[in-house]
Amino acid sequence: GAVVSQHPSRVICKSGTSVKIECRSLDFQATTMFWYRQFPKQSLMLMATSNEGSKATYEQGVEKDKFLINHASLTLSTLTVTSAHPEDSSFYICSGQGGTDTQYFGPGTRLTVL
Amino acid sequence: GQQLNQSPQSMFIQEGEDVSMNCTSSSIFNTWLWYKQDPGEGPVLLIALYKAGELTSNGRLTAQFGITRKDSFLNISASIPSDVGIYFCAGQRNAGNMLTFGGGTRLMVKP
Repeated sequence: GAVVSQHPSRVICKSGTSVKIECRSLDFQATTMFWYRQFPKQSLMLMATSNEGSKATYEQGVEKDKFLINHASLTLSTLTVTSAHPEDSSFYICSGQGGTDTQYFGPGTRLTVL
Repeated sequence: GQQLNQSPQSMFIQEGEDVSMNCTSSSIFNTWLWYKQDPGEGPVLLIALYKAGELTSNGRLTAQFGITRKDSFLNISASIPSDVGIYFCAGQRNAGNMLTFGGGTRLMVKP
């Protein structure tokens, strides 16, 4: 299957700072990338969908000014959590999809905001 | 967001036993997917189903796409300790669209 990487795998930051998470498709071109958030013992909840070169589409209840998404190339999307607060602590997972292909998930990024 | 109804929520079984879990939806999906997630990792695709009535196997795993397109099940035969993890179903209305996930089934296997 196709490979998606995320960086960093873990990050701890102070409240009020911004954190950037990278998602890369290593062996395919991801025309669409999805960002999910997963709280402990819960399922994945879609935050936003991004297509290369266009603005991301955010799910209801997700603040676009707080979770900035950039999908500048067919192999890279970034999620920036701005002015992070403890309630933003979560497991963030991206997935990449090439055209009408299956979604392949990254390994996730554990964010802890102190 | 919307979730599929996945059951059971958790299972604690003896090594060697067979396992069955299922997902149901009130609406139609044209693709059903089954993923496994290990702690601290992203989901890994196990089986993808694209046609109503389709029955697909991957080693000890077998999944079926319900004929009504509103449900799917996953069976694991002769479970082993490394089967431990959380299994998620996901539905996709059309190719390229977002996935809708089930709540997950936490599987624990006693050696």
